[in-house]
Amino acid sequence: GEDVEQSLFLSVREGDSSVINCTYTDSSSTYLYWYKQEPGAGLQLLTYIFSNMDMKQDQRLTVLLNKKDKHLSLRIADTQTGDSAIYFCAEPTQGFQKLVFGTGTRLLVSP
Amino acid sequence: ETGVTQSPTHLIKTRGQQVTLRCSSQSGHNTVSWYQQALGQGPQFIFQYYREEENGRGNFPPRFSGLQFPNYSSELNVNALELDDSALYLCASSRTSGNSYEQYFGPGTRLTVT
Repeated sequence: GEDVEQSLFLSVREGDSSVINCTYTDSSSTYLYWYKQEPGAGLQLLTYIFSNMDMKQDQRLTVLLNKKDKHLSLRIADTQTGDSAIYFCAEPTQGFQKLVFGTGTRLLVSP
Repeated sequence: ETGVTQSPTHLIKTRGQQVTLRCSSQSGHNTVSWYQQALGQGPQFIFQYYREEENGRGNFPPRFSGLQFPNYSSELNVNALELDDSALYLCASSRTSGNSYEQYFGPGTRLTVT
C-alpha cells in the first residue's frame, strides 16, 4: 500500500543542523519531494531528488536518498528561526497523477 | 509565490449545504490537482484534472466533483457537506510532461462546516 512515514516533531537551536527523516513505500517512484508549510499557508516546494541519485545539495538543503531502505532525509544547515514550519515528504504514485504525503514533521527552531 | 491562486480564502457552511472552491493554475501549467488537508494531517489527494477531464481520483465519495476549464482553471464542488469536510483545501498545478511532476500549491481555502 501507499504509506509515507515521518517523525512528528523536531526541536533544534538556531545555528544547528536539522535532519528530518522519511520512509516511503513505492520503490518505482522516479522523484521524491520535500515541501514546507508555514502556519496558515499552502505548501512550498523546497526541493526534489531523482530516484537515481544518492544526494542532492541546494544551498543550505541536502537531500539524501537510500533506495534500498526506502529512506529519504532532509538536512537543513545553519537552521534559522524562519525555518520553523512543517515539512512534508511526498512520493508520486498512480503514474505520477497523485502525490502521497507523510503526516509532516513540525520543526521548531529556538533562538 | 507560485502563481497559483485560490478563492475564497475562508468559508463557513452548514451541514447539508453545497460549496464551490476555485483555483487558477500557474501560467504554462495544464494540470490541476486537488487535496484535502485535515488539521494535523498531510494533504490527501482528491482528484486531478488534465485536458478538462478527471485524470485520477483518490478515496473520496462522488459528492466531491470537479471541473477544469479551457484556460486550465478548476473548480472543486462538494455536495451534502458533512462536519468531517472541514479542512484546508489545496489546489496544485503542474505541467504534465516527461517524468517531471512538480506540483505547485496555492494558499488553500479553509472550509469550516458547522
